Amino acid sequence: TQLLEQSPQFLSIQEGENLTVYCNSSSVFSSLQWYRQEPGEGPVLLVTVVTGGEVKKLKRLTFQFGDARKDSSLHITAAQTGDTGLYLCAGERAQKLVFGQGTRLTINP
Amino acid sequence: NAGVTQTPKFRILKIGQSMTLQCTQDMNHNYMYWYRQDPGMGLKLIYYSVGAGITDKGEVPNGYNVSRSTTEDFPLRLELAAPSQTSVYFCASSYSLAEAFFGQGTRLTVV
Repeated sequence: TQLLEQSPQFLSIQEGENLTVYCNSSSVFSSLQWYRQEPGEGPVLLVTVVTGGEVKKLKRLTFQFGDARKDSSLHITAAQTGDTGLYLCAGERAQKLVFGQGTRLTINP
Repeated sequence: NAGVTQTPKFRILKIGQSMTLQCTQDMNHNYMYWYRQDPGMGLKLIYYSVGAGITDKGEVPNGYNVSRSTTEDFPLRLELAAPSQTSVYFCASSYSLAEAFFGQGTRLTVV
């Protein structure tokens, strides 16, 4: 069983559209991190959310941590082809960093 | 800055062979991790360490062993390679549970 469930697993949209990716769990996390991974590379951190209800913005990307600290979302406004990649959420729990299965995002020109 | 360095980058093993995947970091991070990533999937935690001399199992530890004799090094050992261990292996390090920095990965094929 996956401790962190991401949805959707695959998403293909046109450039300029908006999208939201979800990361859900039945467990409470001390913090949640979002990473982006390019082919052939290791994941790179985008953001960490720590406080329940916290919202962080990174240019066109908006990250939110659920009030109960069990879920998080990533919203991209006006997607660009450069946003294409694998997006991973990761949760800190019991001294471990565990990952969701990822959302593979494709932005078509 | 080197960051997290993994060797080798690619390896083909025969069933039953053994090998060690090397990982070293130069950031003086206390936490180190080993993950495996199957095609198109997320990362599964194999083993982790919160400091030199301390290791613990992650989500998928069977078939693997680790040691952490120094802060810098965290090798992963496969004793009897099986086709199910064909995967990309990532080593990562972090200061406590803050941002994790990843190596470039080792692509392992067991035939």
